[in-house]
Amino acid sequence: EIVLTQSPGTLSLSPGERATLSCRASQSVSSSYLGWYQQKPGQAPRLVMYGASNRATGIPDRFRGSGSGTDFTLSISRLEPEDFAVYYCQQYGSSPFTFGPGTKVDIK
Amino acid sequence: QVQLQESGPGLVKPSETLSLTCAVSGYSISSYYWSWIRQPPGKGLEWIGFMYYTGSTNYNPSLKSRVTMSVDSSKNQFSLNLSSVTAADTAVYYCARAPWGSELDYWGQGTLVTVSS
Repeated sequence: EIVLTQSPGTLSLSPGERATLSCRASQSVSSSYLGWYQQKPGQAPRLVMYGASNRATGIPDRFRGSGSGTDFTLSISRLEPEDFAVYYCQQYGSSPFTFGPGTKVDIK
Repeated sequence: QVQLQESGPGLVKPSETLSLTCAVSGYSISSYYWSWIRQPPGKGLEWIGFMYYTGSTNYNPSLKSRVTMSVDSSKNQFSLNLSSVTAADTAVYYCARAPWGSELDYWGQGTLVTVSS
C-alpha cells in the first residue's frame, strides 16, 4: 500500500499570499495518478487537480499542480477567501487507492 | 450535471450490516466507475472501493472481507453493504464517480452513519 504524507499539517496565511502544499508518497506513483481535493467544513471534497497537473473543471488558474514519482506539490498563487480549506492528496495508480492526512490552509 | 445522493439508515447497531444507496442523476450509471469513500468524524478520508457497472469490483483490502458493492442499472443507482460493523465504522459515507477507476470527479453530499446500540 502506498502511504501518502502531506506537509505542513497546517498552513496559516493571509489572503493574497502564496500557498505551497506538499504530498510525498512511500513509493513511486505510476503515471502521475495523483489528485488533489479541497474540503470545506460540512461539505464533500471537491476535485481540484488530477493527473498531478491537470486542473479539474471550474478550478481557477491560480491553482497549479506539479511533481512526479514520489514528490508532488499543489500551489495556490494568490489565496482568495474561498481557498481556505483542507486539501487532501490521493494516489490512484496502485490499489488500494490512498489519501494523505490533509493540509489545513487557514487564515492568519 | 452529474448529481449523486446517498441514502440509508443513520444509525446501525454493532454487528449488523450497514446498507447505503447512491442515486445518480444527470448521467447513466452504465459507464464509468463508481466509488465509496468514508470519513470518520474529524478525521481524514478512506477509500472503500469502486465498481464498474458490469459488476466488477476493487475493494480496499482492509475492508474487503466485509464489503459488497452492487449496481442497479434500472434505477441508475449503486449500493454499499458493510457487514459486522463496529463503532470504528462510524463515519460520513460518500459516493463518487471515478471516470476510469481514477480520480473522483463528482461526489455526493455524504451521509453520517453512526454505529451504536
